[in-house]
Amino acid sequence: RKEVEQDPGPFNVPEGATVAFNCTYSNSASQSFFWYRQDCRKEPKLLMSVYSSGNEDGRFTAQLNRASQYISLLIRDSKLSDSATYLCVVNMLSSGTYKYIFGTGTRLKVLA
Amino acid sequence: EPEVTQTPSHQVTQMGQEVILRCVPISNHLYFYWYRQILGQKVEFLVSFYNNEISEKSEIFDDQFSVERPDGSNFTLKIRSTKLEDSAMYFCASTEQGAQPQHFGDGTRLSIL
Repeated sequence: RKEVEQDPGPFNVPEGATVAFNCTYSNSASQSFFWYRQDCRKEPKLLMSVYSSGNEDGRFTAQLNRASQYISLLIRDSKLSDSATYLCVVNMLSSGTYKYIFGTGTRLKVLA
Repeated sequence: EPEVTQTPSHQVTQMGQEVILRCVPISNHLYFYWYRQILGQKVEFLVSFYNNEISEKSEIFDDQFSVERPDGSNFTLKIRSTKLEDSAMYFCASTEQGAQPQHFGDGTRLSIL
């Protein structure tokens, strides 16, 4: 089983739609969780951290379910500028140090 | 907002040559990382560095790879004898504390001919 698994998409949605991405992780010792956004041939940029209580940042809502080892991202009122690849990232504590494990990313295309 | 900077943005090298990729992490950050992304694939962890030594390295980070923080600001990745399969984007990242989000540089695209 992959350490971090995401549906690669692409998700093609009209402007204004609500879209949800899911991610599962295999290592129950994973410490912290993030969603990053990556535009084509650019660096990953932090979108938001993910907390068990759920957290919201404007149109974006992230949720973590530690029992099910499941992370989600909801985007409301999609904009053309939301078109990108969304990376699910698990921050693992291993041998006393942290490292990121990335999912393959989910591609989103918002259509006019 | 402070950022991680990487140079060069694009490096083209003949197979078998040595390359050094440079990174300047955010100044108050203590943890440094290199990641690689082969075109069309996911971002992969290479190495983490803290307190002037390697904390962890992946299977990809073999004897051809080394990292160094020569002067307290730069953080370099050296590939001693490049192979075709080293062609990828290489991202440097840093963070103040290990559990906190990492900040990424805009990458160096390495092309091995």
